[in-house]
Amino acid sequence: KAGVTQTPRYLIKTRGQQVTLSCSPISGHRSVSWYQQTPGQGLQFLFEYFSETQRNKGNFPGRFSGRQFSNSRSEMNVSTLELGDSALYLCATQEAVNTGELFFGEGSRLTVL
Amino acid sequence: GENVEQHPSTLSVQEGDSAVIKCTYSDSASNYFPWYKQELGKGPQLIIDIRSNVGEKKDQRIAVTLNKTAKHFSLHITETQPEDSAVYFCAASLSGGSNYKLTFGKGTLLTVNP
Repeated sequence: KAGVTQTPRYLIKTRGQQVTLSCSPISGHRSVSWYQQTPGQGLQFLFEYFSETQRNKGNFPGRFSGRQFSNSRSEMNVSTLELGDSALYLCATQEAVNTGELFFGEGSRLTVL
Repeated sequence: GENVEQHPSTLSVQEGDSAVIKCTYSDSASNYFPWYKQELGKGPQLIIDIRSNVGEKKDQRIAVTLNKTAKHFSLHITETQPEDSAVYFCAASLSGGSNYKLTFGKGTLLTVNP
């Protein structure tokens, strides 16, 4: 099976722009979660989607949003980028909700200048 | 919400020595405790996990112990090898409910010196 695929792997944006990141889960995985990883804060939960519905959301401002498509692929969007949004954004998938193991992609590294 | 503290933030050992990483959690309802290893340039990968109905679990050179009373769990790596060098994250969650999310510790950078 192919692993979790995230695109793009690297991107540079300037303050005020918006960005969309994509995640293709492992075949058969219907739950997709997003995490932000920074050196100071570690891994922080953004949101989780299952069957195109957001089931849980972390403590991030409304500038961070996401969606899931019928084929389980997910996108997350960050609008009005700030310098502090520079981070590695990780997507993690599960076969079903609450089964335990998360399978992570390699992440999308966003740099905001 | 859940809060997970992880110590130490960095750990350097000699090849063949043991390494221990400790975590505490705040929510007594948490019942699932995974450990993830993240190598440079890669996403985290599950190496071992434990559920609250078990006190200890072992898989070859790695083991995890859980003390529910103290809300404390630890990762033990024996006979460390250079390829064990990575960042290790502990996490806690309430598994089984509709609101599933992992709360991670801030990570431990383990360096195994040959």
